Amino acid sequence: GAVVSQHPSWVICKSGTSVKIECRSLDFQATTMFWYRQFPKQSLMLMATSNEGSKATYEQGVEKDKFLINHASLTLSTLTVTSAHPEDSSFYICSARLRTQYKDTQYFGPGTRLTVL
Amino acid sequence: SQQGEEDPQALSIQEGENATMNCSYKTSINNLQWYRQNSGRGLVHLILIRSNEREKHSGRLRVTLDTSKKSSSLLITASRAADTASYFCATGVTGNQFYFGTGTSLTVIP
Repeated sequence: GAVVSQHPSWVICKSGTSVKIECRSLDFQATTMFWYRQFPKQSLMLMATSNEGSKATYEQGVEKDKFLINHASLTLSTLTVTSAHPEDSSFYICSARLRTQYKDTQYFGPGTRLTVL
Repeated sequence: SQQGEEDPQALSIQEGENATMNCSYKTSINNLQWYRQNSGRGLVHLILIRSNEREKHSGRLRVTLDTSKKSSSLLITASRAADTASYFCATGVTGNQFYFGTGTSLTVIP
């Protein structure tokens, strides 16, 4: 089946630094990728929709200047948490959309756990 | 918010029993999917049901969808300890965007 990877799988950083998280579709091209955030014992919240070659679409309440998304190729989207603060500590999960003649499915990455000290 | 709600929030059953969890949502949908998540891990896709379908089966899983009530249920039959996880419904709206429910934490006691 289709595989989506994320890197890093976990990261610890100091408050005020920026952190970049990569999401890659390993064996298929994804024109659309999605970024989610999940706080402990809570559900996944869709943050933004990332389309290759265009600006990301952010959900209401998500600061686009805080969470920079770049979808520069059909297999890579990056999420940069700028000037991270402890409240940004969360589990970030991406998904990649695979569209073929026969199906239209999202495949999820394993997630990246961010801890901001 | 387009997020769905699930109930119960937590469910504890004995191995071999059936587990039922429900999902309610607010807007019209194209499809509804159920996912499983082990603690601190990524998501595993379980089953997708389209808006024009009422019931779907996959192994020990049975999903129903009632679009008039905007609700879905997931039944796991003959549960196993390995089924212990959090289960989320996700509603598919336009553009293949998914909005996840609040989740049900299932514990299956051996």
